[in-house]
Amino acid sequence: GENVEQHPSTLSVQEGDSAVIKCTYSDSASNYFPWYKQELGKRPQLIIDIRSNVGEKKDQRIAVTLNKTAKHFSLHITETQPEDSAVYFCASRPGGATNKLIFGTGTLLAVQP
Amino acid sequence: NAGVMQNPRHLVRRRGQEARLRCSPMKGHSHVYWYRQLPEEGLKFMVYLQKENIIDESGMPKERFSAEFPKEGPSILRIQQVVRGDSAAYFCASSPGQYQPQHFGDGTRLSIL
Repeated sequence: GENVEQHPSTLSVQEGDSAVIKCTYSDSASNYFPWYKQELGKRPQLIIDIRSNVGEKKDQRIAVTLNKTAKHFSLHITETQPEDSAVYFCASRPGGATNKLIFGTGTLLAVQP
Repeated sequence: NAGVMQNPRHLVRRRGQEARLRCSPMKGHSHVYWYRQLPEEGLKFMVYLQKENIIDESGMPKERFSAEFPKEGPSILRIQQVVRGDSAAYFCASSPGQYQPQHFGDGTRLSIL
């Protein structure tokens, strides 16, 4: 079935370091991969997304890479800041006539000042 | 442009009662999605609706749960005869079109006594 695995479940970095979160999806027909940031008790916020016809996308300190062959995609945050601390979720949209998202289990990122 | 509006933010029900959760999409958005989030877990897709149509209900439990998005008014997620296991945060998202990014509301935290 449709499944997204996300690693690591927790990640602690020093301010200024880089953070990388990795996800693997099961449906080879998946064509859209968003990343959401969720602070405690708040709504998930879309921070970056990538479509299957693109290998990499960057927005300031955030970048996402996609390897369709391996069915992997990753989030890279450079020059981390304490306000980057949150839970990050990856997601994939499976193939077919739907826009539903299959979410990973989340990564709790703690940026130590 | 107001974001996705969900109400109530918190809802307490006793076992056996009914819960009604409301979601008004962003202005210009006609596609609505409902997700459920258990504590310290990712979001699980429930249902995808367009005005007056259910597009994908593959994540909806077979019993007690229903959803609608009428021509006028908000989308409603209805849970009949609630049980303790229904306690969760229920998030609504909306998009302007079928294959467009989803933006989330603040969620409704449902607690069952």
